Amino acid sequence: DSGVTQTPKHLITATGQRVTLRCSPRSGDLSVYWYQQSLDQGLQFLIQYYNGEERAKGNILERFSAQQFPDLHSELNLSSLELGDSALYFCASSVSTGPTDTQYFGPGTRLTVL
Amino acid sequence: EDQVTQSPEALRLQEGESSSLNCSYTVSGLRGLFWYRQDPGKGPEFLFTLYSAGEEKEKERLKATLTKKESFLHITAPKPEDSATYLCAVGLSTSGTYKYIFGTGTRLKVLA
Repeated sequence: DSGVTQTPKHLITATGQRVTLRCSPRSGDLSVYWYQQSLDQGLQFLIQYYNGEERAKGNILERFSAQQFPDLHSELNLSSLELGDSALYFCASSVSTGPTDTQYFGPGTRLTVL
Repeated sequence: EDQVTQSPEALRLQEGESSSLNCSYTVSGLRGLFWYRQDPGKGPEFLFTLYSAGEEKEKERLKATLTKKESFLHITAPKPEDSATYLCAVGLSTSGTYKYIFGTGTRLKVLA
């Protein structure tokens, strides 16, 4: 158990809908990262927040947005969902920021778009 | 373009048969190289971080090494419980911006 929690574990929804995924980092960690993992694309970095501020941005679609709240939990919002958005979404956390930090991953949220 | 490539894509070993997994990279601004283990349907589990060429780290049957162009994960006398997908990732810093790139992984199956 990494100490990172994600809810819900599974989410099934329809195309065009909007969903919110939630992540609580390990105690003491200030950074939260979001990743998308699909069968054909591997693990893709989406976005990083550090202490409430956006710190790094990867291949995140405009339909997706995220934020980190004062209690350091983070939410990833996915809107106008398409079939291709079906994937595992992972959250990770680290103590600080920067590319040398070890990231600890949560168990993931499996999103199925029908 | 920054790129991380892992080989082989899949590997089957007999229990006790040692081997190595490769992670080669063509990137700018490498600050750290990470190895993770991932079981099906679960989040990646951290194994090692390597920061500079020549560095080596060990944990039980695993040993990770780093050169300027690639990293190896050596598995000595593997057991069936070592079966998993092994991912490598790089942390990059260029002009103050950060980027994280994962390889597509090596699926390891160890047969009893």
